[in-house]
Amino acid sequence: EAGVAQSPRYKIIEKRQSVAFWCNPISGHATLYWYQQILGQGPKLLIQFQNNGVVDDSQLPKDRFSAERLKGVDSTLKIQPAKLEDSAVYLCASSLWTGIYGYTFGSGTRLTVV
Amino acid sequence: KQEVTQIPAALSVPEGENLVLNCSFTDSAIYNLQWFRQDPGKGLTSLLLIQSSQREQTSGRLNASLDKSSGRSTLYIAASQPGDSATYLCAVSPAGGATNKLIFGTGTLLAVQP
Repeated sequence: EAGVAQSPRYKIIEKRQSVAFWCNPISGHATLYWYQQILGQGPKLLIQFQNNGVVDDSQLPKDRFSAERLKGVDSTLKIQPAKLEDSAVYLCASSLWTGIYGYTFGSGTRLTVV
Repeated sequence: KQEVTQIPAALSVPEGENLVLNCSFTDSAIYNLQWFRQDPGKGLTSLLLIQSSQREQTSGRLNASLDKSSGRSTLYIAASQPGDSATYLCAVSPAGGATNKLIFGTGTLLAVQP
């Protein structure tokens, strides 16, 4: 089966600019996650979708970050305006359902804010 | 608040050695624990998933154990190879609630010298 697709692979922007990341999960996976991984740290959950509804966005900086999952398939994560501390790898993952099943991660988007 | 710690932060071993990576977590109320591998510039690859009711899982040269009551897990790698060089992350999924989010440790950077 095809994996989780993410684009772009790399992005460099100036602070205060906006940026968007795209994710296409594995076909049939109802649950989609966005994680932020800062250099030297483990990934941290930003938002979790179940189909097109938000299950958990408690750690999403809502003043600058937004995410949507239209039609319960693809998802977009946006940052506006970006700050230097947003420099990180943004990982998308999907799972068949919320529960005992394991995750499949995409390769991530590496964002550098200068 | 669940916290996950991994020791050591970095490890260098000669090829052929057996090695153990350690993971500890502060709250024993977990759904499952997973070990991931992360190669530079890549996403995460799931290695082993242990349900809370299980004690260990094995896959090839890898064996992961779980002692939920003491909040510990170990990843044992037998006969290490240079291709095993990567960052190894453990993550727990907290029990209860509607989410299946993962809380990650900061990882162990493994280098296997030929």
